[in-house]
Amino acid sequence: DAMVIQNPRYQVTQFGKPVTLSCSQTLNHNVMYWYQQKSSQAPKLLFHYYDKDFNNEADTPDNFQSRRPNTSFCFLDIRSPGLGDAAMYLCATSRDLGTAYNEQFFGPGTRLTVL
Amino acid sequence: GENVEQHPSTLSVQEGDSAVIKCTYSDSASNYFPWYKQELGKGPQLIIDIRSNVGEKKDQRIAVTLNKTAKHFSLHITETQPEDSAVYFCAAMEVGAQKLVFGQGTRLTINP
Repeated sequence: DAMVIQNPRYQVTQFGKPVTLSCSQTLNHNVMYWYQQKSSQAPKLLFHYYDKDFNNEADTPDNFQSRRPNTSFCFLDIRSPGLGDAAMYLCATSRDLGTAYNEQFFGPGTRLTVL
Repeated sequence: GENVEQHPSTLSVQEGDSAVIKCTYSDSASNYFPWYKQELGKGPQLIIDIRSNVGEKKDQRIAVTLNKTAKHFSLHITETQPEDSAVYFCAAMEVGAQKLVFGQGTRLTINP
């Protein structure tokens, strides 16, 4: 089945220790998104890639970076995690950004714990 | 930018009864309105969506209605079952930025 896969499902890191979260998709979608979701809150968009074009949200901290080496994979790098970065990180994809094909499909998420 | 308000924040209904969750949006140019169901520890799952050129859409026990004039849309779940218990998020597509703006979520509990 076509899907969005995130690894690992649970990640524990230490304060200030860089961490990378992974997302892959078999949907062959052009757009990949990273969201941060804290407890009892709505997902918050960090950035997205349209193909190789990177689009950062204005309020996304510099501590968060992303890479998309190919269509299928996208990575979220947190350079120096703080306690406030503990959250669920969600990857999503959509076929396109246009009106007709902008349905977003989410992966299961990676829960990040910062000690 | 777009702003989406969702009500209620929590909703408890008896199994078999109907549940209604309502959202309002601010940008009249928004044209795509999805609903997501999120179970504990899982990612949001798209359950139904509607575009601004239609007023209602149904899929089995789930329906969504859209009132463009009033800028609000609603999720209706009929014959609720325990497995419908989850957090539901509405969203609106911010056309200029081409991104989804989410409501605050509704925790739905179905009581057996």
